[in-house]
Amino acid sequence: DIQMTQSPSSLSASVGDRVTITCRPSQRISNYLNWYQQKPGKAPNLLIFAASTLESGVPSRFSGSGSGTDFTLTISSLQPEDFATYYCQQSYSMPLTFGGGTKVEIK
Amino acid sequence: QVQLVQSGAEVKKPGASVKVSCKASGYTFATHGITWVRQAPGQGLEWMGWISGYNGNTDYAQKFQGRVTMTTDTSTSTAYMELRSLRSDDTAVYYCARPRGLTIFESFDQWGQGTLVIVSS
Repeated sequence: DIQMTQSPSSLSASVGDRVTITCRPSQRISNYLNWYQQKPGKAPNLLIFAASTLESGVPSRFSGSGSGTDFTLTISSLQPEDFATYYCQQSYSMPLTFGGGTKVEIK
Repeated sequence: QVQLVQSGAEVKKPGASVKVSCKASGYTFATHGITWVRQAPGQGLEWMGWISGYNGNTDYAQKFQGRVTMTTDTSTSTAYMELRSLRSDDTAVYYCARPRGLTIFESFDQWGQGTLVIVSS
């Protein structure tokens, strides 16, 4: 199974900050990497697919980059509605696996 | 618009079974599969398996092999996930989700609202 290591597991940031979350799979996965946002009590919401493609309707302050074994989700200017937990997920091979999540909290 | 609507919360005793439904609308059910993901309280996301909307083929995570069955009813565009021999650590919110493409090797672009399953004696 491909293990997905996300870091940090949590962070505190202020509105307007630039935030970067890292995801490292245990083996190369090309660009089969997706990012989700989840707010408490809600289903996950797709932000980025294929490592860097912004899902329709997602604000452009979100961006993704990387390939192989090193991926990044960046929020260029954190907004109040961005405080949530973020998960990466690999869709390269079965079983599909998720990272442990990064909780973004208000500083 | 695309929607996945799941059945309501369930409370089950250890050893029992639960069957969660996921009704799809707003798209051609057969062109996408349905995947199931669960989330234990305060924990992360765990992929359980997938069923093809086209031919009903399934692929389950090894952890659930022998305990889970995923099915579809194409006449009602509904997917089902049955989990048997429930244990307390099966207490979780169970989500159905739609892969954005024709295979499972995709992101999940639509999600159901989740179904809370509580396993308690």
